[in-house]
Amino acid sequence: QVQLQESGPGLVKPSGTLSLTCAVSGGSISSSNWWSWVRQPPGKGLEWIGEIYHSGSTYYNPSLKSRVTISVDKSKNQFSMKLSSVTAADTAVYYCARRTGYCSDNSCYKWFDPWGQGTLVTVSS
Amino acid sequence: EIVLTQSPGTLSLSPGERATLSCRASQSVSSSYLAWYQQKPGQAPRLLIYGASSRATGISDRFSGSGSGTDFTLTISRLEPEDFAVYYCQQYGSSYTFGQGTKLEIK
Repeated sequence: QVQLQESGPGLVKPSGTLSLTCAVSGGSISSSNWWSWVRQPPGKGLEWIGEIYHSGSTYYNPSLKSRVTISVDKSKNQFSMKLSSVTAADTAVYYCARRTGYCSDNSCYKWFDPWGQGTLVTVSS
Repeated sequence: EIVLTQSPGTLSLSPGERATLSCRASQSVSSSYLAWYQQKPGQAPRLLIYGASSRATGISDRFSGSGSGTDFTLTISRLEPEDFAVYYCQQYGSSYTFGQGTKLEIK
């Protein structure tokens, strides 16, 4: 079964760039799935950041689009995210997740499963 | 952006009782794009329901989803101790958004 594992610095300085990587195991990142990042500020709800396909196609949350870049490394079976110009408001647990689904009878289904365990990133000087 | 509003914010029930969680969208959502997740403290969200009513693999049949348009419901028929957690609904329109969550706590 597919498993995801986030990695990256746990502390980033304000105005800096937050960089995280998600390693995919138990399956190929070149499968017919999209690969997403979702974050959760402490004690708050979930916010979708963006997603990438193995071809390199990306979609981003409009509210973060100007600061985020998601890339894929098929040779390492992993994908990454960079969030620039961070502030304390970007402090959160960052999750990577497989965004999967299918289309049938003129309807398409989309959902996130599985998720990585998450990694806490704190923005502070 | 489609906003999802979940109610109640907190639901206090006892094991064995039935839980009904609501998710209301600011505009109509395709049922096929509505999912529910369970999150326990310190853990990642876990998929429960996709397509508004289809249970994910390995999910107990005590969990069921229903609804269409702007109103969706997650029902847990007989609460077990492990069901007490936070539940999120999620939709896909032009982007993905989540509700703010309903905390299901032991009464």
